[in-house]
Amino acid sequence: DTEVTQTPKHLVMGMTNKKSLKCEQHMGHRAMYWYKQKAKKPPELMFVYSYEKLSINESVPSRFSPECPNSSLLNLHLHALQPEDSALYLCASSQEEGVGSYEQYFGPGTRLTVT
Amino acid sequence: GQSLEQPSEVTAVEGAIVQINCTYQTSGFYGLSWYQQHDGGAPTFLSYNALDGLEETGRFSSFLSRSDSYGYLLLQELQMKDSASYFCAPVDNFNKFYFGSGTKLNVKP
Repeated sequence: DTEVTQTPKHLVMGMTNKKSLKCEQHMGHRAMYWYKQKAKKPPELMFVYSYEKLSINESVPSRFSPECPNSSLLNLHLHALQPEDSALYLCASSQEEGVGSYEQYFGPGTRLTVT
Repeated sequence: GQSLEQPSEVTAVEGAIVQINCTYQTSGFYGLSWYQQHDGGAPTFLSYNALDGLEETGRFSSFLSRSDSYGYLLLQELQMKDSASYFCAPVDNFNKFYFGSGTKLNVKP
């Protein structure tokens, strides 16, 4: 199974809401990633988890809070977002981080709209 | 530091060969990956070069020259379904992973 799943596919939330994005993989990968992608732009790395520990936070605002409950699951908790946070949020996994990160498997993404 | 350059857009006809170049400046460079992304889809891994030279995977090949900080993706026998964005992504030993700005490939009949 080489699939990364993400839920929900679409999410509309107000600026005062709290919501969570979920990501799951069953490939035994030890590194998991969150990316943000705006239209016609490349994916931008937000967070990297390695062996369930936060390895990299690319100076992401605290209104985004990642969580890795176990080696297969990755969550992104959202609170008090701004309209400019509207984007496609992609989850990915790879066997390892660092030099092992060259082949990442991506989920289909969550299309987030903040109103 | 990190910088990546790719052409923003390339157009070619079905059956042709197209080359997408990528120049990089990456601290702790280890290798270069290539990804494809169709509109509305997720990126998918195409190829990876850790050593200089050409890697061939079916119709797609990727080349790396570490001394020139340069790589390219070569797509042969272009098909309409190859219309997509293509990203180069250096891998470094500081555990970071960045995509280039992407090259939009338009394949015309």
